[in-house]
Amino acid sequence: GAGVSQSPSNKVTEKGKDVELRCDPISGHTALYWYRQSLGQGLEFLIYFQGNSAPDKSGLPSDRFSAERTGGSVSTLTIQRTQQEDSAVYLCASSLFGGIQETQYFGPGTRLLVL
Amino acid sequence: AQRVTQPEKLLSVFKGAPVELKCNYSYSGSPELFWYVQYSRQRLQLLLRHISRESIKGFTADLNKGETSFHLKKPFAQEEDSAMYYCALAGAGSYQLTFGKGTKLSVIP
Repeated sequence: GAGVSQSPSNKVTEKGKDVELRCDPISGHTALYWYRQSLGQGLEFLIYFQGNSAPDKSGLPSDRFSAERTGGSVSTLTIQRTQQEDSAVYLCASSLFGGIQETQYFGPGTRLLVL
Repeated sequence: AQRVTQPEKLLSVFKGAPVELKCNYSYSGSPELFWYVQYSRQRLQLLLRHISRESIKGFTADLNKGETSFHLKKPFAQEEDSAMYYCALAGAGSYQLTFGKGTKLSVIP
């Protein structure tokens, strides 16, 4: 079946603009993760959704970052008033139930460039 | 705080030579360790996890709690092994993965 999909694949924006990044998890997966990979850095955890539970937002770097997941499926990561340091690849992953025993399946990522 | 260190940004080996990708971690409890791989123009994918004690594509990794290491090894490198390799850690009972910065493996024909 189809894997995790993300859109757009690339996004160039001007400093101060808002951006929305979308993630479609694998159908039936209840857990969804967002990560960020800045140039030369490892992946950095941002946020975790599991079913109807309150999301774990502990990795969001500032209040300019927010995410939601509608209907337990599609998720949107929003960055308000973008800054140049927000430039990175944003990766989404999903797993069947959540929990570290399960494999996380990653999407292709959205490459964000803030000018 | 938990941390994963991959000391080599780039590792070049000749085809048929042994490969060892180093990973050291810092964590006060009993971690779960993983290796992820990203081939050129492909998605990040799980290669192996220590708890499964498996060998995938000829790669193995042993968790050494004394040395806090989880090095990835393969006795004979193949060209198709060229990729970015990331070591990752999760704390006991956690779903959050902490990744290292990755090592780019280049296998020279």
